[in-house]
Amino acid sequence: SYVLTQPPSVSVAPGKTARITCGGNNIGSKSVHWYRQKPGQAPVLVIYYDSDRPSGIPERFSGSNSGNTATLTISRVEAGDEADYYCQLWNSSSDHPVVFGGGTKLTVL
Amino acid sequence: EVHLVESGGVVVQPGGSLRLSCAASGFTFDDYTMHWVRQAPGQGLEWVSLVTWDGGSTYYADSVKGRFTISRDNSKNSLYLQMSSLRTEDTAFYYCAKAAYYSSTWFLDYWGQGTLVTVSS
Repeated sequence: SYVLTQPPSVSVAPGKTARITCGGNNIGSKSVHWYRQKPGQAPVLVIYYDSDRPSGIPERFSGSNSGNTATLTISRVEAGDEADYYCQLWNSSSDHPVVFGGGTKLTVL
Repeated sequence: EVHLVESGGVVVQPGGSLRLSCAASGFTFDDYTMHWVRQAPGQGLEWVSLVTWDGGSTYYADSVKGRFTISRDNSKNSLYLQMSSLRTEDTAFYYCAKAAYYSSTWFLDYWGQGTLVTVSS
């Protein structure tokens, strides 16, 4: 089965740029989606199809995907961005088509 | 506005059974594939199951296959997860989520708030 690998934690100072990676075998050939989950809340979609933002998600959130790494970039980080972030892809060739990464805890220093 | 409200989470003994429900509103329910995703306390997200718009196709994670059954009633705008032979490792928040399709890929654009299932003796 396809495996997505995320760093357990990323720390960033307010106003700086956070980059959260999601690694997978030739992941650049697939579409990656990202979710944010704040403590005690349900996940929220923040990026779909590698780099598209749903309505209501700030332009500070962006995504890219190439080679073996997809990246969620959060510019001008705010305290309210502190959360867990998960990548996900759809593996159409599998009976278990929805794959999540292990999640990354973003800490705003 | 899309709303997904899960219910049915309780404390149940190992080996027991339980049915979760998810009431959907704010969209045309029978147009969309629906999913269940779970999250053990302090852990990451784990996909559990999906059912296509008409209930015609279902898929399951290996961890629940043969024990859980996903279903839907489009006349009631409701999604269900019948859980049996429950194990302590099934303890988790269970979320229902609406699927969205874009350019050959699927993602989950709306999630409910979750319902907690605790399997304990």
